[in-house]
Amino acid sequence: EVQVLESGGDLVHPGGSLRLSCTTSGFTFPHYAMAWVRQAPGKGLEWVSTIGGTTGNTYYADSVKGRFSISRDNSKNTLYLQLNSLRAEDTAIYYCAKMTGPTVGALYFDSWGQGTRVTVSS
Amino acid sequence: QSVLTQPPSVSGAPGQRVTISCTGSNSNLGTTSDVHWYQHLPGTAPKVLIYGNNNRPLGVPDRFSGSRSGTSASLAITGLQAEDEADYYCQSYDSSLRAWVLGGGTKLTVL
Repeated sequence: EVQVLESGGDLVHPGGSLRLSCTTSGFTFPHYAMAWVRQAPGKGLEWVSTIGGTTGNTYYADSVKGRFSISRDNSKNTLYLQLNSLRAEDTAIYYCAKMTGPTVGALYFDSWGQGTRVTVSS
Repeated sequence: QSVLTQPPSVSGAPGQRVTISCTGSNSNLGTTSDVHWYQHLPGTAPKVLIYGNNNRPLGVPDRFSGSRSGTSASLAITGLQAEDEADYYCQSYDSSLRAWVLGGGTKLTVL
């Protein structure tokens, strides 16, 4: 059974930093792209970032480009998201998701975690 | 403003059929990129309902179905049940943005 578990969410001041982790099990982690998706209070789901499995290529939403950094440790089956220069509008529940699909255009989020809450406030 | 547009809300009585639309553009739904649908209950992990335009994962009832045409897609739910009350999102890939995009979400209310 695929399991995905996020951690690291916290209350942080504007301009601060945070690192989220996502530990996984139940699948061959290095073979799959992984992503972070967030949901701000009262808003819908927003894709944040993706990292390729074998390629390790990274992709970011414009709203976080230059501030957030996605990475993975395939030896630990763990995904990370480094959040820097945090803003109030980054306040959200951050979900880690496994991606699957035969091509970039067919990739979708097939397994999700329960999320970790990030609050940016002074 | 989401790249994919969904109605904010839909509603239906138990047993009825409802559809949720998802409108995109020539750089996402108008390409060969697939459309996928998710169900999300607040406080829980989102769940994929439809992948690859019209495929259901194991365990998803056949009351849920997906279709697409041109730059639009739809999720249909037949035989509405109280447990279907949730938020629903469409998702695809945008080749101009080089980003995975989600609709703004539709809240389904079962009357």
